[in-house]
Amino acid sequence: GENVEQHPSTLSVQEGDSAVIKCTYSDSASNYFPWYKQELGKRPQLIIDIRSNVGEKKDQRIAVTLNKTAKHFSLHITETQPEDSAVYFCAGCGPNFGNEKLTFGTGTRLTIIP
Amino acid sequence: EPEVTQTPSHQVTQMGQEVILRCVPISNHLYFYWYRQILGQKVEFLVSFYNNEISEKSEIFDDQFSVERPDGSNFTLKIRSTKLEDSAMYFCASSENPTGSGQPQHFGDGTRLSIL
Repeated sequence: GENVEQHPSTLSVQEGDSAVIKCTYSDSASNYFPWYKQELGKRPQLIIDIRSNVGEKKDQRIAVTLNKTAKHFSLHITETQPEDSAVYFCAGCGPNFGNEKLTFGTGTRLTIIP
Repeated sequence: EPEVTQTPSHQVTQMGQEVILRCVPISNHLYFYWYRQILGQKVEFLVSFYNNEISEKSEIFDDQFSVERPDGSNFTLKIRSTKLEDSAMYFCASSENPTGSGQPQHFGDGTRLSIL
Protein backbone atom coordinates (compact mmCIF):
# COMPACT_ATOMS: atom_id res chain seq x y z
CA GLY A 1 0.00 0.00 0.00
CA GLU A 2 0.86 3.65 -0.16
CA ASN A 3 3.39 5.10 2.27
CA VAL A 4 3.81 8.87 2.63
CA GLU A 5 6.77 10.40 4.42
CA GLN A 6 6.90 14.02 5.45
CA HIS A 7 9.76 16.32 6.48
CA PRO A 8 10.54 18.19 8.59
CA SER A 9 8.49 17.26 11.64
CA THR A 10 8.88 20.77 13.06
CA LEU A 11 9.70 24.03 11.31
CA SER A 12 10.16 27.51 12.75
CA VAL A 13 10.19 30.46 10.39
CA GLN A 14 10.46 34.18 10.90
CA GLU A 15 7.32 36.06 9.97
CA GLY A 16 7.54 37.17 6.36
CA ASP A 17 9.93 34.40 5.35
CA SER A 18 9.00 31.34 3.30
CA ALA A 19 8.31 27.84 4.55
CA VAL A 20 8.75 24.62 2.59
CA ILE A 21 7.44 21.21 3.61
CA LYS A 22 8.30 18.10 1.63
CA CYS A 23 6.64 14.74 1.17
CA THR A 24 7.54 11.58 -0.68
CA TYR A 25 5.21 8.79 -1.65
CA SER A 26 5.78 5.17 -2.56
CA ASP A 27 2.95 4.22 -4.93
CA SER A 28 3.69 5.50 -8.43
CA ALA A 29 -0.01 5.02 -9.28
CA SER A 30 -1.06 7.69 -6.75
CA ASN A 31 -2.56 10.62 -8.61
CA TYR A 32 -4.02 13.08 -6.13
CA PHE A 33 -2.13 14.94 -3.41
CA PRO A 34 -3.91 17.27 -0.99
CA TRP A 35 -2.44 19.37 1.80
CA TYR A 36 -4.36 19.89 5.01
CA LYS A 37 -3.84 22.46 7.75
CA GLN A 38 -4.85 21.47 11.26
CA GLU A 39 -5.04 23.94 14.10
CA LEU A 40 -5.01 22.62 17.64
CA GLY A 41 -8.12 20.57 18.38
CA LYS A 42 -9.72 21.34 15.03
CA ARG A 43 -10.52 19.52 11.81
CA PRO A 44 -7.99 19.05 9.02
CA GLN A 45 -8.78 21.79 6.54
CA LEU A 46 -7.89 21.43 2.87
CA ILE A 47 -5.64 24.30 1.78
CA ILE A 48 -4.48 23.17 -1.64
CA ASP A 49 -4.36 20.03 -3.74
CA ILE A 50 -2.74 18.85 -6.94
CA ARG A 51 -3.39 16.10 -9.45
CA SER A 52 -0.66 14.09 -11.04
CA ASN A 53 -1.15 15.61 -14.48
CA VAL A 54 -0.04 19.00 -13.15
CA GLY A 55 3.44 19.99 -11.99
CA GLU A 56 2.59 23.06 -9.97
CA LYS A 57 -0.42 24.84 -8.55
CA LYS A 58 -0.61 28.17 -6.78
CA ASP A 59 -3.23 29.89 -4.65
CA GLN A 60 -2.13 33.29 -3.38
CA ARG A 61 0.67 32.68 -0.85
CA ILE A 62 0.45 28.90 -1.09
CA ALA A 63 1.87 26.70 -3.82
CA VAL A 64 2.37 22.98 -4.32
CA THR A 65 4.87 21.36 -6.66
CA LEU A 66 4.85 17.74 -7.79
CA ASN A 67 7.69 15.69 -9.22
CA LYS A 68 6.17 12.43 -10.42
CA THR A 69 9.46 10.93 -11.48
CA ALA A 70 10.99 11.40 -8.04
CA LYS A 71 7.64 10.75 -6.31
CA HIS A 72 7.75 13.81 -4.16
CA PHE A 73 5.65 16.91 -3.68
CA SER A 74 6.17 20.05 -1.65
CA LEU A 75 4.15 22.80 -0.02
CA HIS A 76 5.48 26.33 -0.26
CA ILE A 77 4.12 29.15 1.88
CA THR A 78 5.46 32.61 1.12
CA GLU A 79 5.25 35.79 3.21
CA THR A 80 4.35 33.74 6.27
CA GLN A 81 2.04 35.22 8.88
CA PRO A 82 1.38 34.22 12.52
CA GLU A 83 -1.94 32.64 11.52
CA ASP A 84 -0.02 30.19 9.36
CA SER A 85 1.14 28.49 12.58
CA ALA A 86 -0.44 25.02 12.61
CA VAL A 87 0.29 21.38 11.82
CA TYR A 88 0.36 20.66 8.10
CA PHE A 89 -0.32 17.20 6.68
CA CYS A 90 0.34 16.00 3.18
CA ALA A 91 -1.60 13.05 1.79
CA GLY A 92 -1.76 10.84 -1.25
CA CYS A 93 -4.52 8.91 -2.96
CA GLY A 94 -4.48 6.22 -5.62
CA PRO A 95 -6.45 6.17 -8.84
CA ASN A 96 -8.48 3.07 -8.38
CA PHE A 97 -12.16 3.08 -7.63
CA GLY A 98 -12.67 1.25 -4.39
CA ASN A 99 -9.37 2.68 -3.20
CA GLU A 100 -10.31 6.18 -2.18
CA LYS A 101 -8.46 6.44 1.07
CA LEU A 102 -6.10 9.25 1.85
CA THR A 103 -2.76 8.14 3.24
CA PHE A 104 -1.40 10.93 5.40
CA GLY A 105 2.12 11.96 6.21
CA THR A 106 3.22 12.34 9.81
CA GLY A 107 2.69 16.10 9.89
CA THR A 108 4.84 19.21 10.19
CA ARG A 109 4.35 21.60 13.08
CA LEU A 110 4.96 25.04 11.60
CA THR A 111 5.63 27.90 13.98
CA ILE A 112 5.81 31.46 12.68
CA ILE A 113 7.97 33.65 14.88
CA PRO A 114 6.69 37.24 15.02
CA GLU B 1 -20.31 26.77 2.76
CA PRO B 2 -21.74 23.30 3.53
CA GLU B 3 -19.92 21.34 6.21
CA VAL B 4 -19.64 17.81 7.53
CA THR B 5 -21.12 17.74 11.02
CA GLN B 6 -20.29 15.25 13.75
CA THR B 7 -21.87 14.46 17.09
CA PRO B 8 -21.05 14.26 19.89
CA SER B 9 -17.97 16.48 20.06
CA HIS B 10 -16.69 14.49 23.05
CA GLN B 11 -17.66 11.02 24.21
CA VAL B 12 -16.44 9.43 27.43
CA THR B 13 -17.13 5.71 27.77
CA GLN B 14 -16.16 2.84 30.01
CA MET B 15 -13.97 0.14 28.47
CA GLY B 16 -16.08 -2.65 27.04
CA GLN B 17 -19.06 -0.43 26.27
CA GLU B 18 -20.46 0.22 22.82
CA VAL B 19 -20.24 3.67 21.26
CA ILE B 20 -21.85 5.14 18.19
CA LEU B 21 -20.32 8.17 16.55
CA ARG B 22 -22.55 10.12 14.23
CA CYS B 23 -21.86 12.11 11.11
CA VAL B 24 -23.92 14.07 8.64
CA PRO B 25 -21.96 14.31 5.38
CA ILE B 26 -22.39 17.16 2.94
CA SER B 27 -25.74 16.61 1.28
CA ASN B 28 -24.72 15.97 -2.34
CA HIS B 29 -21.69 13.87 -1.45
CA LEU B 30 -21.70 10.17 -2.25
CA TYR B 31 -18.44 8.92 -0.71
CA PHE B 32 -17.99 8.72 3.03
CA TYR B 33 -15.00 8.01 5.22
CA TRP B 34 -13.94 7.56 8.81
CA TYR B 35 -10.45 8.39 10.00
CA ARG B 36 -8.94 8.48 13.45
CA GLN B 37 -6.13 10.49 14.97
CA ILE B 38 -4.45 9.44 18.18
CA LEU B 39 -3.27 12.49 20.10
CA GLY B 40 -0.16 13.98 18.53
CA GLN B 41 -0.07 11.49 15.67
CA LYS B 42 -1.08 11.46 12.03
CA VAL B 43 -4.53 10.92 10.65
CA GLU B 44 -5.19 7.23 9.87
CA PHE B 45 -7.74 5.81 7.47
CA LEU B 46 -10.36 3.45 8.92
CA VAL B 47 -13.00 2.83 6.27
CA SER B 48 -14.56 4.16 3.10
CA PHE B 49 -18.22 3.72 2.14
CA TYR B 50 -20.05 4.12 -1.13
CA ASN B 51 -23.40 2.96 -2.45
CA ASN B 52 -24.37 1.51 0.92
CA GLU B 53 -21.39 -0.72 1.27
CA ILE B 54 -17.80 -0.63 2.47
CA SER B 55 -15.34 0.11 -0.34
CA GLU B 56 -12.20 -0.41 1.66
CA LYS B 57 -11.14 -0.84 5.26
CA SER B 58 -7.83 -0.71 7.06
CA GLU B 59 -6.29 -3.20 9.44
CA ILE B 60 -7.51 -1.03 12.31
CA PHE B 61 -11.11 -1.58 11.24
CA ASP B 62 -11.54 -5.02 12.79
CA ASP B 63 -14.69 -6.93 13.78
CA GLN B 64 -15.35 -4.50 16.62
CA PHE B 65 -16.05 -1.72 14.13
CA SER B 66 -19.02 -1.27 11.85
CA VAL B 67 -20.47 1.53 9.75
CA GLU B 68 -23.98 2.23 8.66
CA ARG B 69 -25.98 4.75 6.69
CA PRO B 70 -29.30 4.30 8.46
CA ASP B 71 -31.12 6.99 6.50
CA GLY B 72 -30.48 9.49 3.73
CA SER B 73 -28.39 11.83 5.84
CA ASN B 74 -26.56 10.08 8.68
CA PHE B 75 -23.40 7.99 8.56
CA THR B 76 -22.43 6.22 11.77
CA LEU B 77 -19.39 4.45 13.16
CA LYS B 78 -20.02 1.87 15.87
CA ILE B 79 -17.40 0.36 18.12
CA ARG B 80 -18.91 -2.71 19.72
CA SER B 81 -16.70 -3.25 22.75
CA THR B 82 -14.33 -0.36 23.29
CA LYS B 83 -10.72 -0.76 24.36
CA LEU B 84 -8.39 1.74 25.95
CA GLU B 85 -6.46 2.04 22.69
CA ASP B 86 -9.61 3.21 20.89
CA SER B 87 -9.16 6.57 22.60
CA ALA B 88 -8.61 9.03 19.76
CA MET B 89 -10.20 11.77 17.71
CA TYR B 90 -12.48 10.28 15.08
CA PHE B 91 -13.06 12.28 11.92
CA CYS B 92 -15.78 11.74 9.37
CA ALA B 93 -15.16 12.97 5.83
CA SER B 94 -17.10 13.05 2.60
CA SER B 95 -16.47 13.73 -1.06
CA GLU B 96 -18.77 14.33 -3.99
CA ASN B 97 -16.93 12.01 -6.35
CA PRO B 98 -14.06 9.53 -5.95
CA THR B 99 -11.01 11.12 -4.36
CA GLY B 100 -8.85 9.35 -6.91
CA SER B 101 -10.47 11.51 -9.58
CA GLY B 102 -9.25 14.61 -7.80
CA GLN B 103 -12.24 15.34 -5.61
CA PRO B 104 -11.26 16.62 -2.17
CA GLN B 105 -12.44 15.07 1.06
CA HIS B 106 -14.03 17.47 3.50
CA PHE B 107 -13.62 16.71 7.18
CA GLY B 108 -15.92 17.23 10.13
CA ASP B 109 -14.81 18.71 13.45
CA GLY B 110 -14.34 15.26 14.93
CA THR B 111 -15.48 13.35 18.00
CA ARG B 112 -12.98 13.01 20.79
CA LEU B 113 -13.48 9.52 22.21
CA SER B 114 -12.07 8.86 25.65
CA ILE B 115 -12.14 5.30 26.99
CA LEU B 116 -11.79 4.91 30.75
